[in-house]
Amino acid sequence: DILMTQSPDSLAVSLGETATINCKSSQTLLHSSFNKNYLAWYQLKPGQPPRLLISWASVRESGVPERFSGSGSVTDFTLTVSSLQTEDVAVYYCQQYFVTPCTFGQGTKLEI
Amino acid sequence: QVQLQESGPGLVKSSETLSLTCTVSGVSITDYYWTWIRQPAGKGLEWIGIFTRGGPDYNPSLKSRVTMSIDTSNNQFSLKLDSVTAADAAVYYCARGARTVVTTNYYYDYYMDVWGNGTTVTVSS
Repeated sequence: DILMTQSPDSLAVSLGETATINCKSSQTLLHSSFNKNYLAWYQLKPGQPPRLLISWASVRESGVPERFSGSGSVTDFTLTVSSLQTEDVAVYYCQQYFVTPCTFGQGTKLEI
Repeated sequence: QVQLQESGPGLVKSSETLSLTCTVSGVSITDYYWTWIRQPAGKGLEWIGIFTRGGPDYNPSLKSRVTMSIDTSNNQFSLKLDSVTAADAAVYYCARGARTVVTTNYYYDYYMDVWGNGTTVTVSS
């Protein structure tokens, strides 16, 4: 299985500042033929269904605020949350879908 | 608007079978792939498997105990997990696999774009 490792496990960021969450995969997630990275980011809040934020490492889902951005390639990826808002408090997970079984990072708890 | 709703017993006895159903509204279940994911309390997400047009693809860690199926007449898909133990206690989510349309071709992807609220399953001894 592909091991996904996120860092840090938790972080606290001031309102209006930028949060950076890293995700590292044990194998490449870049499909050379399609030139696509098979990496997604999700946001989990208590009492709410998980929300897809980013697919293909950097494609923001419709309706997701522009302050959320994804970057990276091959094995190293980053989720950046700019201008942090109170509603961004959540746990964030990366997921690889390059091969099955799909696997997730252990999660990063983002606090104000 | 696509909505997914998990249902099933919240309490299952150890060694018995866990059975959950996901009811899909707003889209035909035959038009997408469907996934089950779980999250034990205080832990991360675990991919259980996906039901595709070619049949199911299960996580090898659970493959010997898992069965997924589709009920097209009721627009539902289901999960059965045999011989449960305390380690199977979790919040279980159903989710839709994403799909990309390029001209007239559909490409099915294994990330999840719509999720249910989740249902909590407790395992009793």
